Amino acid sequence: DTEVTQTPKHLVMGMTNKKSLKCEQHMGHRAMYWYKQKAKKPPELMFVYSYEKLSINESVPSRFSPECPNSSLLNLHLHALQPEDSALYLCASSPARQTSSYNEQFFGPGTRLTVL
Amino acid sequence: DAKTTQPNSMESNEEEPVHLPCNHSTISGTDYIHWYRQLPSQGPEYVIHGLTSNVNNRMASLAIAEDRKSSTLILHRATLRDAAVYYCILRDVSYGGSQGNLIFGKGTKLSVKP
Repeated sequence: DTEVTQTPKHLVMGMTNKKSLKCEQHMGHRAMYWYKQKAKKPPELMFVYSYEKLSINESVPSRFSPECPNSSLLNLHLHALQPEDSALYLCASSPARQTSSYNEQFFGPGTRLTVL
Repeated sequence: DAKTTQPNSMESNEEEPVHLPCNHSTISGTDYIHWYRQLPSQGPEYVIHGLTSNVNNRMASLAIAEDRKSSTLILHRATLRDAAVYYCILRDVSYGGSQGNLIFGKGTKLSVKP
């Protein structure tokens, strides 16, 4: 199974809502990532988890809160978002960062988020 | 992170070879050259990577200049399914470096004509 799954596919939320995005992989990967992609722009790295610990936060606003409850799951909790946060949110995973095989990242199809 | 420069867009005819160039004049010794592509409405997918030598896999070939300041992704026979944005990315996998994070540039949008 070389698949990264993301749910939901689409999400519409108001600025006062709280919602969560979910990402799952069963490849035994120990590094997981969140990216944000605005329309017609390249993906931008948001967070990196390594062995279930947050290792990188690319100065992301606190209204985005990541969580890695176990080695297969990655969540992104959303609260008090702004319309400019509307984007495609991509999850990815890769083998453990410390190994030499750490080369390829596997991406999910993304969650299309619209903030009204 | 070292940066890459790619043409904004390229066109190809179906079943013809495509050469996608990438310049990376500030590449360091610990930077690997990676290529990913993103098909419409999908997440990016890995294509190929290399350090110094040319590389081949089932999807493509990667030709790396001797001074490593440029590289070329080669699709041997383009199909309509190859229409995508192709990203050339440098990844520093050295200890204490950026530890291999993917920093995407603008990429090249490849169109394939039937």
